[in-house]
Amino acid sequence: DAKTTQPTSMDCAEGRAANLPCNHSTISGNEYVYWYRQIHSQGPQYIIHGLKNNETNEMASLIITEDRKSSTLILPHATLRDTAVYYCIVRAPTGANSKLTFGKGITLSVRP
Amino acid sequence: SQTIHQWPATLVQPVGSPLSLECTVEGTSNPNLYWYRQAAGRGLQLLFYSVGIGQISSEVPQNLSASRPQDRQFILSSKKLLLSDSGFYLCAWSVASWGYYEQYFGPGTRLTVT
Repeated sequence: DAKTTQPTSMDCAEGRAANLPCNHSTISGNEYVYWYRQIHSQGPQYIIHGLKNNETNEMASLIITEDRKSSTLILPHATLRDTAVYYCIVRAPTGANSKLTFGKGITLSVRP
Repeated sequence: SQTIHQWPATLVQPVGSPLSLECTVEGTSNPNLYWYRQAAGRGLQLLFYSVGIGQISSEVPQNLSASRPQDRQFILSSKKLLLSDSGFYLCAWSVASWGYYEQYFGPGTRLTVT
C-alpha cells in the first residue's frame, strides 16, 4: 500500500469547514483513498473513499487531485463531535484478509 | 441498517485468567469479521479474520484464539492472559462491494490485564 503523509494536527471553529489534507505521491493506479476517523476511546469510523472522482456522502466530501497525488477531506460544517483523529489510507481493493493499517493520522480539534 | 455490538465495554482481568470477548453483527448476512488490537499510542494490529462460520485465519502468533460459531458472531478468547494482552480490542465487519472492502468497527473493549 502506498504511504500517506498528513499534518500532525489542525483546528477549526465550530460551524466552519474543516479541510484535512493528505499526500500520497506514490499512489498506484488501482489504489483507492480511504478516510477513517477515531473519536477518543471509540472504534474507528469509516467516512468515505474514492478512486479519482470527487465523492460526497452525508458525512463528508473527498476531493482528489487530478494527478491523484493528494486529497482533501472536507467536513462542511464542523461540530464539536467531529473532534477526532482522522486517518488517510491508500490501498488497492483486496480480499477478505485486507487489513487496515492506520498511521498517526491528523488530530482535528473543533473549537467552540 | 447494520450494527455491530461488542461486550463488555471494559474489562480488568488478572494475569493467568481466561478471556472471552464477544462481537455480534446485525443487519447483514455472511459478513467478513475481524479482530484488531490497538495498544496505547499505537496503530491497529489485525489479529484474526473470518470469511465464514468456523473459518478463522490468524495474522500473528499469539496467546489468543478466535471462533465463529454463528454467521454473525465472533468470539475472541484466551486461556491464560498475559500482561501484554492489555489493549483496546476492536471487532469489525465488511462485505464485498464492487471488489473493495470498507470495514465497519464496533465500539471496542478496553482490556486491562493486571
